[in-house]
Parts: sequence; structure tokens; C-alpha cells
Amino acid sequence: DVKVTQSSRYLVKRTGEKVFLECVQDMDHENMFWYRQDPGLGLRLIYFSYDVKMKEKGDIPEGYSVSREKKERFSLILESASTNQTSMYLCASSLPATVGSYSPLHFGNGTRLTVT
Amino acid sequence: GIQVEQSPPDLILQEGANSTLRCNFSDSVNNLQWFHQNPWGQLINLFYIPSGTKQNGRLSATTVATERYSLLYISSSQTTDSGVYFCAVARGGSYIPTFGRGTSLIVHP
Repeated sequence: DVKVTQSSRYLVKRTGEKVFLECVQDMDHENMFWYRQDPGLGLRLIYFSYDVKMKEKGDIPEGYSVSREKKERFSLILESASTNQTSMYLCASSLPATVGSYSPLHFGNGTRLTVT
Repeated sequence: GIQVEQSPPDLILQEGANSTLRCNFSDSVNNLQWFHQNPWGQLINLFYIPSGTKQNGRLSATTVATERYSLLYISSSQTTDSGVYFCAVARGGSYIPTFGRGTSLIVHP
């Protein structure tokens, strides 16, 4: 079974702190994703990566950056945390997909971040 | 980008009841998945169903790609079905899924 592990389940940080959210997958997946989930808004894509050192902005990248130095690890960085970044953060991974192929997303358990 | 709308936003059922969840999307897709997020936050794939019908136990799903919607059926609901159900779609050759806002389901014993 694919395992996607997020380093923290709950995290409390202060405004202005630099925050690192870590995600590790064990199935050699090329694609990795960071989403944030807020009530009533569903999952919104922050960044994704389709290979080591490659990254692309998602729908809401402002205030975030990412790092992918190794294939199995994808880090989300909040350079200066703000209260509006209080949210549930979900990491996911998948194989590359081609038209008509099935490449399911596998999610971690999420990190609930509170910025005070 | 592609728009994904799910309905209803909230659903409350008595154990044993049946329900239908709907996902409408604004453009043609070649990848559609249904997910269940349990009350502890874990998201699990239910179906990959860009077209046609699939069944898995008490759950089944139908996608009518030409009319741009998908339906998730839950029969004889159980309390363990509670949680949020998401539809996610993608188009083109790469898989970058766009999620709907979800349907929150509560099943009472």
C-alpha cells in the first residue's frame, strides 16, 4: 500500500514564524501535491511537483513556497506565517497520468495548522 | 479553469436510507474520481470513473461524460459512511485534479 506521511498532525505557530510542513511518500511517485482545505471551500491546490526540483504553482500559491530536493519528499514552506494561513494542509502523491490511464491520488493524514 | 460543483452541500440521513450525490463539471474531462474523507480527515479513493458505471458494495457511481455530470449512490447507509465526499476532475494529458467543495454527509443511527 502507498503510504504518504505528513510529519505533524497538529501544529501551532505564531504570526511571522517560518513554518515547514514535510511530506514523504514511499512509492516512488513522480507527482506530489500540496492542498489546503477550508470549510465550505473544498481542497485548493497550492503547489505541485512532477519531478525532483520541478515545481508549478497551483491556484493559491501566494504566501507559500515549496522544495523538492528528493523524489520522496515534498516540503511546503510558509515564509512568514499569517493568521489567514490557519487551515488543514493535505499532501498527496500519484504516478504520472496519460490520457485514459488511472493514476489515483494518495493522501496523507493532513496537518492542522493554527497560526496565532 | 474547470469548475466543479457538488450538490447537495449537506445531507443528513437516518441509517438504512439511500442517497444520491451529484458532481457537475464545466468542461470535458478524462479523469474523474470520487473520494471519501472520514471524520478523522483521511481521504480515500472510492472510484475512478471518467465514464460509465461502477459498483463497489453499497456504493456505486455513474458518469455521463457527454452531459458533464457524475452521480455517487449510497444505498443502505451506515454511520461509517459519515464524512465528506469529494469529486475531483482533470482534463488533458496531465493529472492535476480540481476538487469540488464536497458534500458533507451525516448518518444517524
